[in-house]
Amino acid sequence: QSVLTQPPSASGTPGQRVTISCSGTSSNIGSNYVSWYQHLPGTAPKLLINRNNQRPSGVPDRFSGSRSGTSASLAISGLRSEDEADYYCAAWDDSLSGQVFGGGTKLTVL
Amino acid sequence: QLQLRESGPGLVKPSETLPLTCTVSGGSIARSSNYWGWIRQPPGKGLEWIGSIHYSGSTYYNPSLKSRLTISVDTSKNQFSLKLSSVIATDTAVYYCASGPRTSADYWGLGTLVTVSS
Repeated sequence: QSVLTQPPSASGTPGQRVTISCSGTSSNIGSNYVSWYQHLPGTAPKLLINRNNQRPSGVPDRFSGSRSGTSASLAISGLRSEDEADYYCAAWDDSLSGQVFGGGTKLTVL
Repeated sequence: QLQLRESGPGLVKPSETLPLTCTVSGGSIARSSNYWGWIRQPPGKGLEWIGSIHYSGSTYYNPSLKSRLTISVDTSKNQFSLKLSSVIATDTAVYYCASGPRTSADYWGLGTLVTVSS
């Protein structure tokens, strides 16, 4: 049971815009930055978004993040086949004094 | 650009201690404000944060692993390490080392599979 809640799956067709939600509490998302990671099987996870909505250098602007209250979301526009991967949200949790992850969302590009 | 590489045994017996080391290149552990940490992924499951350390010595551990976990840093070798004692089958996972501010893991190693089995 993950501390942050994500839908287990999401899907879209090429060119579409999809969003992935991440729900938490006041001790994590509600008071700390949210980060998002893309994980392709057999590779290292890649940071997509940090500080709620900041894209590291090299991450396409098709990826965007937002946070409102105790929830966050990742939006992917202009969906491409190579976006098919697992996506995870994460945040620091003040009550646990540690990082917590969502359970992950498997994105399928139809 | 920071690069991280995990090393350690691929197979550990139940009840023994799992030792892993992460070697850092492209930057100095001791001259960085980053945290250095470990994250794992059991087969078929999601990512789980294990813990992290700052070169100054401050550590943060996952409460569920705290009683079995030690994370340390060796600035002379530009390495940091994990020791997980009394391992059981559910500790089988791909273990990643990672680095970044306390709030995110900006750099990751490729990961190493550790299997707990007799």
